[in-house]
Amino acid sequence: SAVISQKPSRDICQRGTSLTIQCQVDSQVTMMFWYRQQPGQSLTLIATANQGSEATYESGFVIDKFPISRPNLTFSTLTVSNMSPEDSSIYLCSVAAGGYSTDTQYFGPGTRLTVL
Amino acid sequence: QKEVEQDPGPLSVPEGAIVSLNCTYSNSAFQYFMWYRQYSRKGPELLMYTYSSGNKEDGRFTAQVDKSSKYISLFIRDSQPSDSATYLCAMGGGTASKLTFGTGTRLQVTL
Repeated sequence: SAVISQKPSRDICQRGTSLTIQCQVDSQVTMMFWYRQQPGQSLTLIATANQGSEATYESGFVIDKFPISRPNLTFSTLTVSNMSPEDSSIYLCSVAAGGYSTDTQYFGPGTRLTVL
Repeated sequence: QKEVEQDPGPLSVPEGAIVSLNCTYSNSAFQYFMWYRQYSRKGPELLMYTYSSGNKEDGRFTAQVDKSSKYISLFIRDSQPSDSATYLCAMGGGTASKLTFGTGTRLQVTL
């Protein structure tokens, strides 16, 4: 299984600012994913990030609000832009064990974001 | 109707009890079924992975899949306080382009 780290682990931000979350994997992986987890709700997929191509966003999520970078096979960033209190959530990155989006996924520890 | 339904709990059991956690789903194309355990303030950790119908056992944990009923279960034998966590089911495969997660069941194992 992959070992995944995220930075920061938590942050408190002001409305209107942006935060960039980093995700580092200890091995090369094709597919990385960014999720949002709000209390009492399922994990919600924000986007799929493949190295060398544009991220694919799920319905309800747009690149202007959640720009993603994937510069190499071990690293990705998610930016939460122009934040509002509704963006307060846990943000998780994950990687697919194989090369498919429906393969087993391994998750990072998450970034707990609070927007005031 | 949600694609995956999972009782949110909380479920409280005494130490040593047998725990049964369940999910139902509507997409008959799902082929891969997983259970994740998530401790408070941690990311989900893969616990069990099952392909298609049948049982899989790993120590105190047993995963069951009944595709005919669209029902999956996770059994925990001899439950321990360290099993206290939220358990999420996840599934995918077939025509699905992504994993679909349940909302999670919060389990509390008391001394």
